Amino acid sequence: RMTQSPSSLHASIGDRVTFTCRASETIGDSVNWYQHKPGKAPTLLIYGASNLRGGVPSRFSGSAFGTEFTLTIDSLQPEDIATYYCQQGYYIPFTFGPGTKVGVK
Amino acid sequence: QVQLVESGGGLVKPGGSQRLSCTASGFDFSDSYMGWIRQAPGKGLEWIAYISDGGSSIYYGDSVKGRFAVSMDNTKNSLYLEMNSLSAEDTAVYYCARGGRVSQSRFFDYWGQGTLITVSS
Repeated sequence: RMTQSPSSLHASIGDRVTFTCRASETIGDSVNWYQHKPGKAPTLLIYGASNLRGGVPSRFSGSAFGTEFTLTIDSLQPEDIATYYCQQGYYIPFTFGPGTKVGVK
Repeated sequence: QVQLVESGGGLVKPGGSQRLSCTASGFDFSDSYMGWIRQAPGKGLEWIAYISDGGSSIYYGDSVKGRFAVSMDNTKNSLYLEMNSLSAEDTAVYYCARGGRVSQSRFFDYWGQGTLITVSS
């Protein structure tokens, strides 16, 4: 099971934003992060907890500490308004977290 | 470039069946893991199925196990999802996605635009 916090947040453009995902058991670095905008296909941002996918802006970063995983946006941009999901890829089922919806303050 | 295009969505009656297709291009489909993920209205993403390259290993989420079946046809670069005994809880946008792997972690690096299945009488 994957839990995410917060479920939603509102931030100002330029803010540093951090989301947290917690796994119910040890899964190594097997957490991936996706961005999903309404009506669009989800896009992979981070894989293996901290690897930035090619083409993704460097303001996105991921880290891991035990069973806690974080996604950070260094300076929130208008195009970052979306829902963000973590997903564990360590064992079947490849569970997604419930998501964090980001809005502008 | 990598493209995934789903088709087969539509309105289905409860208890009915439907087959979704996903046509792939821009990568070696026969050497790729593929997955199906869905999103019900107002809900989050739910992983439902995963098939290894060549189709030798297939896994399902508990919510669809025994009702859905995944297959692939490498000659057509196509992935399929056969859905049976559909209920209102299966109403969702269905995405196909290409699987990737780094060490022990599996992820989905390319996604289609999705196809909507609505189960209603």
